[in-house]
Amino acid sequence: EVQLVESGGGLIQPGRSLRLSCTGSGFTFGDHGVTWVRQAPGKGLEWVGLIRTKGFGGTTEYAAPVKGRFTISRNDSKSVAFLQMNSLKAEDTAVYYCARAYLLDSTMSLDFWGQGTLVTVSS
Amino acid sequence: SVLTQPPSVSGAPRQRVTISCSGSSSNIGNYGVNWYQQLPGKAPKLLIFYSNLLPSGVSDRFSGSKSDSSASLAISGLRPEDEADYYCAVWDDDLGGVAFGGGTKLTVL
Repeated sequence: EVQLVESGGGLIQPGRSLRLSCTGSGFTFGDHGVTWVRQAPGKGLEWVGLIRTKGFGGTTEYAAPVKGRFTISRNDSKSVAFLQMNSLKAEDTAVYYCARAYLLDSTMSLDFWGQGTLVTVSS
Repeated sequence: SVLTQPPSVSGAPRQRVTISCSGSSSNIGNYGVNWYQQLPGKAPKLLIFYSNLLPSGVSDRFSGSKSDSSASLAISGLRPEDEADYYCAVWDDDLGGVAFGGGTKLTVL
C-alpha cells in the first residue's frame, strides 16, 4: 500500500526556520517526483514546489511566494523528501501536504497524498 | 488564480452536476487537467487525471473532459457522500509550476 507521511510541523515564530519531512512507503520512492502543496486555514490548495527524480536531474521548481526561502531535497535511500522553510512569515501558516507525482506524457498528476502537517507561524 | 472555477454548485441526490475550470493556452491548452476531491477535514484525493482518466478505485460516476482551454468535471447520480471541495489543477508554463483552481464546494441538497 502506497503511503506518504509528513512530519515536522508545529508552532514557529516569524523569521525562524522549520524542516518538514515526507516519508514514503509501499513504492520505489526514487521513481517518483515529490510535490509539496499547502492549504491555509479555510482556503484553497496552493502549490509550493516539486523535486523531480534523479533520472530527470533531481531538479526543483518553486512557487513565487516561497522562492528563495524554501528548499526541497530528497534522500531516495531513505525514501524521504524534505521541505526546508526559512524566513517564515505569518502567511506561510497552512497545512502542508506532500504528494507523489505521476507522469503521463507531459501531464503530471498527484496520485497519492499524505495526511498533512500543520505549520503555524506566530509570535 | 489562473484557473477559474465556480465557488459553489449544488444538486439533488441522483442528479448530475458539472464543474467548470477555465484556463488559457499556457495551461489547459497545453496539458492534461487533473481533478482532486477534498472531503471535509481530509487530504485531497486524485479523482481524474490526464483530463478524462479515472484512477483505480474511483467511481465511474465521475468523468472529465477538456476542450481548448477549458475543462469540466461531471458527477452523475449524486450522493450525499459526494459533498466535498473539488479542485482542478494543471501545469502552467508561465508560472513554471502547478496551478490550482480556487476550488468548488459541492452541496448535495
